[in-house]
Formats: sequence, structure tokens, C-alpha cells
Amino acid sequence: EAQVTQNPRYLITVTGKKLTVTCSQNMNHEYMSWYRQDPGLGLRQIYYSMNVEVTDKGDVPEGYKVSRKEKRNFPLILESPSPNQTSLYFCASSQDGYNYGYTFGSGTRLTVV
Amino acid sequence: AQSVTQLDSQVPVFEEAPVELRCNYSSSVSVYLFWYVQYPNQGLQLLLKYLSGSTLVKGINGFEAEFNKSQTSFHLRKPSVHISDTAEYFCAVKYQGAGKSTFGDGTTLTVKP
Repeated sequence: EAQVTQNPRYLITVTGKKLTVTCSQNMNHEYMSWYRQDPGLGLRQIYYSMNVEVTDKGDVPEGYKVSRKEKRNFPLILESPSPNQTSLYFCASSQDGYNYGYTFGSGTRLTVV
Repeated sequence: AQSVTQLDSQVPVFEEAPVELRCNYSSSVSVYLFWYVQYPNQGLQLLLKYLSGSTLVKGINGFEAEFNKSQTSFHLRKPSVHISDTAEYFCAVKYQGAGKSTFGDGTTLTVKP
């Protein structure tokens, strides 16, 4: 089944403790992206990647890092999480970024205390 | 700059009534337009997309949308809604040459019996 898989689904952590949210897609998509969803703010893009080793900032990149060493994986790294990064995170992929629309993962609900 | 405005944050309707969810975008020469649906505790799912050609686009679950270039709108419609259509709906736009899509803040559709 074609899908985007995120792990974990739920995560509670403490301020300053580094964490990684994994994202993997099995569709050989070129384009991958991370979004955060907050009440009243909709979906905001954190980072995106047009291809392996090519990443770029989205609208809210501060406090996040990404890497794209392989086509299928696009992990989101929070080096020193803070409470304002408590949010619902979505990974998405697309064949080319626009013509085909995005396939989204099921989401990761992160709480930073 | 890319921007998308969903004109209604919440739309309550009765079952079997028609519904329209409104979306406007900032003007540009070439755009690609999308509607996504998010059911509770799930990721976003592509409903339909407009890339070029016919301005009336049909999607899944009986939804359709009309691209209106002069009014820079891409409203989503369904002639008769079901309880199962209760969800949040997001409009998204990608401008030609831009590296990312921009999402609206979402419209919560609530279908009442």
C-alpha cells in the first residue's frame, strides 16, 4: 500500500531533550515536506526537500532541522525542544511537489513540557 | 507572496443539504489549486485538484470545485452532504516556480442529522 509512515504517533518529552520524528514513504516520491498544525493557525510548512540532499526552509523553520540522505526518508529533528513546539506534525510527499498533490502521514502529536 | 484565504472557519449544515466552502487566493499568472479533507485523528487526504483545462473539477466523495480566474477563487461544493462528510477542509495553492504549497486555515464542516 502506498503510504507515508510517521513515527511515533504520540510523544511527550521534556524541554531541551533532543528528539527525532521519522518519516518514510514507499512511493519513490521526489518531494517531501514537514508541516505543523496548530489551532487557529492552520498548516504551516517547516522544511521541504525537492530531492536527495536538497532541502529548504519553509515558513517556520526555527528550532528544527531536517536531512534527506535517502529518497524515502525525511526525519525531523528537534535539537532542543521548547514548549512552543508542542503541536501536531505532518509529513507529506509528492511525486513532484505540485502536479500530483501531497500524500500525508497520519501525524505525530508532540507535547513538550 | 502566496496567500490563501478560506472565508468561513465553520460551516454547519443539515444532512442532504448542499454546501459550498469558499477559498480565495492572491492573484498570480499560473497557479495549481487543491482541496484536502482531514477526518478526526487522521492526516490530510487529497479531494481534488486544478492544474489546467476545464475550470470545473470533480473529486472524490461527490465533491467538485470551480476555478474562477477573474475572482481568484476555487470554491468547493457538494449538492447533498452526508453525516460522514463532517471533517476539516483545507484549500491549498501552489504558484508556478515556487518551491512549496501554501494552505488556508481550514474550514470545519459539521453535518447535522
